[in-house]
Amino acid sequence: GAGVSQSPSNKVTEKGKDVELRCDPISGHTALYWYRQSLGQGLEFLIYFQGNSAPDKSGLPSDRFSAERTGGSVSTLTIQRTQQEDSAVYLCASSDRDSLNYGYTFGSGTRLTVV
Amino acid sequence: AQSVTQPDIHITVSEGASLELRCNYSYGATPYLFWYVQSPGQGLQLLLKYFSGDTLVQGIKGFEAEFKRSQSSFNLRKPSVHWSDAAEYFCAVGRNTPLVFGKGTRLSVIA
Repeated sequence: GAGVSQSPSNKVTEKGKDVELRCDPISGHTALYWYRQSLGQGLEFLIYFQGNSAPDKSGLPSDRFSAERTGGSVSTLTIQRTQQEDSAVYLCASSDRDSLNYGYTFGSGTRLTVV
Repeated sequence: AQSVTQPDIHITVSEGASLELRCNYSYGATPYLFWYVQSPGQGLQLLLKYFSGDTLVQGIKGFEAEFKRSQSSFNLRKPSVHWSDAAEYFCAVGRNTPLVFGKGTRLSVIA
């Protein structure tokens, strides 16, 4: 597509429920990144995909967080047994690492609120 | 370890005044450096980037940034600020690893 698409744009969930956040990257972008943005905390790296594999998942805060990418395209970030501290904006970005025009293109994010 | 420091959490400037947002980084090799802008409720938009070569880079919306290796800095500048520039600005560093972002500087513009 023309840009990075994330869904849903907003999600309110009850503590203890599981949530799935979706990211549809720019067509042809081989790299995909998930970041979390909390108020006043900047962007916190979560996980990075190159194709369907995740060479770096060092930023996942706990084993309640997981992510997958299929077909070198769409990625899903899953948070199990959500906690209030998971409330944040989850941003997805994609890039073409082999391009001379290298740079991340971000989606508009999913605002997650755990109540 | 890579890190980015944006010393100013919040800056207020008058419309038409000049602007400089500071960014200092720590990186083991020659970095790729980026500035992004985030308007309220929006995702991040790339303003400009530095890979190599000329240390003064031009970006969109009239912004420029200068890479100073000796100071490990990549400060963002604009000669005349417009009200529409009010937003959050993020500096980022990275090359073969995921970008590391600073905590951001919020810019307010007053008449």
